[in-house]
Amino acid sequence: GESVGLHLPTLSVQEGDNSIINCAYSNSASDYFIWYKQESGKGPQFIIDIRSNMDKRQGQRVTVLLNKTVKHLSLQIAATQPGDSAVYFCAEKEYGGSQGNLIFGKGTKLSVKP
Amino acid sequence: KAGVTQTPRYLIKTRGQQVTLSCSPISGHRSVSWYQQTPGQGLQFLFEYFSETQRNKGNFPGRFSGRQFSNSRSEMNVSTLELGDSALYLCASSSSDESSQAFFGQGTRLTVV
Repeated sequence: GESVGLHLPTLSVQEGDNSIINCAYSNSASDYFIWYKQESGKGPQFIIDIRSNMDKRQGQRVTVLLNKTVKHLSLQIAATQPGDSAVYFCAEKEYGGSQGNLIFGKGTKLSVKP
Repeated sequence: KAGVTQTPRYLIKTRGQQVTLSCSPISGHRSVSWYQQTPGQGLQFLFEYFSETQRNKGNFPGRFSGRQFSNSRSEMNVSTLELGDSALYLCASSSSDESSQAFFGQGTRLTVV
């Protein structure tokens, strides 16, 4: 498959464990944040989003936490599965603005060991 | 509903040539954005088109340009290709709702030799 990034931070977890992927965002004016998953040979796929008026949002097996004080975002994946292996990106933008001009983080590669 | 379609999937060009990439958004989506993805720089925003007008532009040289047609399909063009333009070019479409998410295509892998 195609490599989406070299020298990415890598998180290796055992199948069934919980995963936590972290992201520091850059723009204080950003108030909308998104996590994407990118598998080899594919484009980024939306996982979950959160607005700045929230500090936590839950989806199916995923939770996003937002700490505006330190400009930090995290993605928690419960009961990690081999199919979760991918590169994960956080993205930021100003809410209400267009969906273009997303600012992406560098990405974290998640590797799940069976 | 068909997803975002990008053509071609792979392309090899020579330095100095120009290239045109195509993106067909999800039916009903009027916003199309383009991103460049490289191992060194990650995902970087190129430009966004909405209703045939460029709405936002990233920090790329003028060799990178784009357009959008009345059916919302978009093309991007890179002229005078350089080796550093080798990348995965991704297109994303979204509806006009402010809360709408961006859906990405599989990308076009451009290699400049």
